[in-house]
Amino acid sequence: DADVTQTPRNRITKTGKRIMLECSQTKGHDRMYWYRQDPGLGLRLIYYSFDVKDINKGEISDGYSVSRQAQAKFSLSLESAIPNQTALYFCATSDSADAPDNEQFFGPGTRLTVL
Amino acid sequence: DAKTTQPPSMDCAEGRAANLPCNHSTISGNEYVYWYRQIHSQGPQYIIHGLKNNETNEMASLIITEDRKSSTLILPHATLRDTAVYYCIVRRWANNLFFGTGTRLTVIP
Repeated sequence: DADVTQTPRNRITKTGKRIMLECSQTKGHDRMYWYRQDPGLGLRLIYYSFDVKDINKGEISDGYSVSRQAQAKFSLSLESAIPNQTALYFCATSDSADAPDNEQFFGPGTRLTVL
Repeated sequence: DAKTTQPPSMDCAEGRAANLPCNHSTISGNEYVYWYRQIHSQGPQYIIHGLKNNETNEMASLIITEDRKSSTLILPHATLRDTAVYYCIVRRWANNLFFGTGTRLTVIP
């Protein structure tokens, strides 16, 4: 079984709808991240959480919110989806240590289309 | 965080070494160089990282110049499965990584 899972894997929704993307991990990591990737571009950080009580904005948090329900779960919500939020969304996790060899492990991605 | 510059694309013949360059002329003394790759639209995968010494693992080698202003990722014997986008990232720690546009490596049969 995958260590980092994302649901749904694909989603098509309409402008103005609320949508939630979910991420679960079995790696026992404290830190979790949400990124988005637009075609031909690199990943950009939306939000990150270093533990259950910690939420931090990333580079592009406007229009998004997150919830860290447990150590293993980190959800990303679009309160009112708009077409320019159409993208590939990735969840990632890492260990709690501030160490250079603390690599991030990524989920398979969620492809979101907003019509 | 130091910015990085990578060529947008490169080709490499299967079985040959792939050498992917990265410039990071504004790197600070305590910043590491990380490499990740992304195969098709999968989640990025960690490859290797280094501070100032050359590093090698089962996937690749990382050569960092003495002034640390540039580095090269080496895949010693490229296979078709190495076709991917390779990201060079400079960061103090591995958290909050900034992914630029990377280098799209195509391994040619």
